[in-house]
Amino acid sequence: KQEVTQIPAALSVPEGENLVLNCSFTDSAIYNLQWFRQDPGKGLTSLLLIQSSQREQTSGRLNASLDKSSGRSTLYIAASQPGDSATYLCAVMEGAQKLVFGQGTRLTINP
Amino acid sequence: DVKVTQSSRYLVKRTGEKVFLECVQDMDHENMFWYRQDPGLGLRLIYFSYDVKMKEKGDIPEGYSVSREKKERFSLILESASTNQTSMYLCASSPPLAGVGYNEQFFGPGTRLTVL
Repeated sequence: KQEVTQIPAALSVPEGENLVLNCSFTDSAIYNLQWFRQDPGKGLTSLLLIQSSQREQTSGRLNASLDKSSGRSTLYIAASQPGDSATYLCAVMEGAQKLVFGQGTRLTINP
Repeated sequence: DVKVTQSSRYLVKRTGEKVFLECVQDMDHENMFWYRQDPGLGLRLIYFSYDVKMKEKGDIPEGYSVSREKKERFSLILESASTNQTSMYLCASSPPLAGVGYNEQFFGPGTRLTVL
């Protein structure tokens, strides 16, 4: 059974720092990996999707990498801002379009 | 922009009531999903649908049913609500397999359901 783990569970950094969020998964037979952002009490916003054949995707200050063979993905956030404070979730897609989610990393950017 | 809407942001119901949660998407997506999100347990898939009148069980279908009479609308039904169904419910939609690995899921704002 696929398991997705995100470390750390919570992270607090000063504004302006570059940071890395980690995601690992146990079964490398995935179709893609998605990173989401969730603000308190809200739904999920899709940030980046990496297909299984890709190594990375970039959007603005965000860069996500995927190493399928080792079962790892990282989300790199450059020049962090207070507005980046949220919970970040990664999810892997298995067959039948099923997403398996990690527990998330709660990120706080301090002004 | 893809838009997924859910009928209520907050809902309070009593034990034993029949509860309907509605989800509508405006992007003509074939696939729709219902998840619940609980602290410590994360997001778990309840049901999903590939097409009108089609449904598939997810990981935790017990106590729930679904209905998809129109492509844009996917309803989650709690036949007899119980307190352990108090949760955040999230709906999502995605296009069909346009190419292997490209099936981005888009989520609605969620419904916070409390069962008393």
